[in-house]
Amino acid sequence: DIQMTQSPSSLSASVGDRVTVTCRASQSVITYLNWYQHKPGTAPKLLISGIYNLERGVPSRFSGSGSETEFTLTISSLQPEDFATYYCHQTYSPPLTFGGGTRVEIK
Amino acid sequence: EVQVVETGGGLIQPGGSLRLSCAVSGFSVTKNYMFWVRQAPGKGLEWVSVLYGDGREFYADSVKGRFTISRDKSRDILFLQMNTLRAEDTALYFCASAQCSGGSCPTIWGQGTQVTVSS
Repeated sequence: DIQMTQSPSSLSASVGDRVTVTCRASQSVITYLNWYQHKPGTAPKLLISGIYNLERGVPSRFSGSGSETEFTLTISSLQPEDFATYYCHQTYSPPLTFGGGTRVEIK
Repeated sequence: EVQVVETGGGLIQPGGSLRLSCAVSGFSVTKNYMFWVRQAPGKGLEWVSVLYGDGREFYADSVKGRFTISRDKSRDILFLQMNTLRAEDTALYFCASAQCSGGSCPTIWGQGTQVTVSS
């Protein structure tokens, strides 16, 4: 099974800050890596698929990078609506594991 | 318009059974693959099961032997049969479809259906 390790598990940041979330896979997931934003009681919102493909309608302040086993989600300038939990998700091989999540809180 | 809608959640006693349904529109339930994810109270997202277009199915260890994923191709509905339910199965259950192309698998999600296992 592929293990997905996210860091940090939580962070505090201010509006306007640059935020980086890291996700490490225990083995290569090639390019099959998605990033989601999740708020309680709602469906996860797909931000990025295939490591760096920004979904339609997602602000350009979100970006993804990395390859094989190391991936990064960057928010270039944090906005009030960005406070949420972010998950990486590998869709390469079942079980289709998620990272543990990174909770982004207001400083 | 592509859409995914889950139904079938509810309150069920420990040891009971429940079947979740996920109706899709705008695409076929056999396109690429479809999967179930859940979020228990205060926990992160947990992948539950996947059914590929070619019929292969896989399960998380936590539900293996108790849950069964299936589909009705004629009605474009995905199911999750949940047996021998436990309190720890209490969660918001999401259905999602992967629309893979060119090394990327963007996903479409439903809004979720709540399952509560309690006496």
